[in-house]
Amino acid sequence: GQSLEQPSEVTAVEGAIVQMNCTYQTSGFYGLSWYQQHDGGAPTFLSYNALDGLEETGRFSSFLSRSDSYGYLLLQELQMKDSASYFCALTGGGNKLTFGTGTQLKVEL
Amino acid sequence: EAGVTQFPSHSVIEKGQTVTLRCDPISGHDNLYWYRRVMGKEIKFLLHFVKESKQDESGMPNNRFLAERTGGTYSTLKVQPAELEDSGVYFCASSQERTGVNGYTFGSGTRLTVV
Repeated sequence: GQSLEQPSEVTAVEGAIVQMNCTYQTSGFYGLSWYQQHDGGAPTFLSYNALDGLEETGRFSSFLSRSDSYGYLLLQELQMKDSASYFCALTGGGNKLTFGTGTQLKVEL
Repeated sequence: EAGVTQFPSHSVIEKGQTVTLRCDPISGHDNLYWYRRVMGKEIKFLLHFVKESKQDESGMPNNRFLAERTGGTYSTLKVQPAELEDSGVYFCASSQERTGVNGYTFGSGTRLTVV
């Protein structure tokens, strides 16, 4: 089977940079995705890494290392609205997702 | 374009009753997925439709759960009879392609409470 581990909670200051890690165990996958979810809302797609390396989209960057079974999401210039839960997910056949337990990000003034 | 719509947003039912959840995907999205998050646990896959066909239903917990997708448009997920452990948030998502490049569009979910 597949499993993904994420720290349960991260706290950072507005304007800072925060990195949220994701380690996984799997026998095979197509890519690693990241989703953001505000309380009571829909998970929103942020990024997808099919290959090793860094993908950048505005203030968000995502990294994947298949050899280390590890990825991370980097948020720069943190804003209060970034307070949310962040989930990494492995993409398998049929675009089926296996999610991690999520990291609750709290942004403070 | 309209997003993925789920109805109802909340449902509270008694153990043994039946509940039907509905999902309207983004128009033109052939792929429709159901996921569930039980309290404190990760979001887990239930099943995947391609148009009206079930592509993968490996995540369905048991035969009390029945999903349909009429004419390849909206989908329903029926739980009959509901048990306490069925409580959780049920998410529907749709995508145009079957790769992860552009991700899914999720609905806001149906919060089901079985008492």
